[in-house]
Amino acid sequence: DTEVTQTPKHLVMGMTNKKSLKCEQHMGHRAMYWYKQKAKKPPELMFVYSYEKLSINESVPSRFSPECPNSSLLNLHLHALQPEDSALYLCASSQEVLLQGANTEAFFGQGTRLTVV
Amino acid sequence: AQSVAQPEDQVNVAEGNPLTVKCTYSVSGNPYLFWYVQYPNRGLQFLLKYITGDNLVKGSYGFEAEFNKSQTSFHLKKPSALVSDSALYFCAVRDILRVDSSYKLIFGSGTRLLVRP
Repeated sequence: DTEVTQTPKHLVMGMTNKKSLKCEQHMGHRAMYWYKQKAKKPPELMFVYSYEKLSINESVPSRFSPECPNSSLLNLHLHALQPEDSALYLCASSQEVLLQGANTEAFFGQGTRLTVV
Repeated sequence: AQSVAQPEDQVNVAEGNPLTVKCTYSVSGNPYLFWYVQYPNRGLQFLLKYITGDNLVKGSYGFEAEFNKSQTSFHLKKPSALVSDSALYFCAVRDILRVDSSYKLIFGSGTRLLVRP
């Protein structure tokens, strides 16, 4: 199983709503990521979790709140978003890289297309 | 800082002809390089990677990439293009490994490949 599953596939929310994006993987990966991708642009890293702990926060506004309940799940809680937050949100995971020379690639989910109205 | 550059916004090629999508990199230390493909409204699919070893790397769907250290390039190639190869292609480099074994993927700006029938 080399799959990262994201739900929902599409989400439309108002600026006062609270919603959550979900991501799940069963590959035993201990690093999980949230990326944001605007149309025709490369993905931009938002957060990295390593061993269920937040490792990297790329100065993301607090209206985005990540959560890693266990090693297989990653959530992104959304509150009071702005229309400019509309984008494709991608989750990814990768193996831990503890040894020099160990190689790993990140596996991406299909994304959640978020529209803020 | 690690970075990759994709000098072409779009590459056009006729079906059956060879294709090349260009990528150059700038890294400190040994480069960990990746190619991903993205179809419309989908997530990123891993194609291939270079970590160490042979300079010619073979990947999924008949793609290969050539690592050239002297030219700091990692161009993606395919001997015979298919219309179904039309998609957005991203070159990426792994950023410096952190002590907790997490890392960032730094993406190039992307190249749109259009294969004409």
